[in-house]
Amino acid sequence: DQQVKQNSPSLSVQEGRISILNCDYTNSMFDYFLWYKKYPAEGPTFLISISSIKDKNEDGRFTVFLNKSAKHLSLHIVPSQPGDSAVYFCAAIEDYNQGGKLIFGQGTELSVKP
Amino acid sequence: DTGVSQDPRHKITKRGQNVTFRCDPISEHNRLYWYRQTLGQGPEFLTYFQNEAQLEKSRLLSDRFSAERPKGSFSTLEIQRTEQGDSAMYLCASSPADRGHQPQHFGDGTRLSIL
Repeated sequence: DQQVKQNSPSLSVQEGRISILNCDYTNSMFDYFLWYKKYPAEGPTFLISISSIKDKNEDGRFTVFLNKSAKHLSLHIVPSQPGDSAVYFCAAIEDYNQGGKLIFGQGTELSVKP
Repeated sequence: DTGVSQDPRHKITKRGQNVTFRCDPISEHNRLYWYRQTLGQGPEFLTYFQNEAQLEKSRLLSDRFSAERPKGSFSTLEIQRTEQGDSAMYLCASSPADRGHQPQHFGDGTRLSIL
């Protein structure tokens, strides 16, 4: 069963506009969420995270929103740049103190066009 | 901080052969994780070490898979009698355990191709 889902395999955005990547989850016990970015032939790179006790976290051009009642989170990138083109993975942790294994979504490939 | 290092980057082998991968985590990171990623999917958890103790194994980790972290530093992942379905990217990640929620840092992976 897929506990973390990214239903959009791909997204295309114009440079300078907003990119919104979405993620849904089913396990209400998840207490920490992360976004990773992955370029081809490289490992995932940590981007931003949010605790389940918050509903928003911002870091420069990147903002993550969490809606616990809807079991939904989103990553906003403003303004989008061509260098942001990559695969973005949403991930969740059920209990950090019990190991902190990441449960990933399938990924969304973002293409930012100049 | 030199990052997580994995070796080799690529491995091509015939079905039935044994393979071993190595991961060197960020120094002083006492948690080390192995994941497997296949095409079009996100990474899937395989196993996790805290220091030298292997504390959790996924049901994905069949009897043909074994992982070690003998001195709590580098780790090895061995696959015996490889099968076609083992073809994947094997990712290693590390994180500190004693500073609250800390993100895992990933290596660039070992891509395994079974002929």
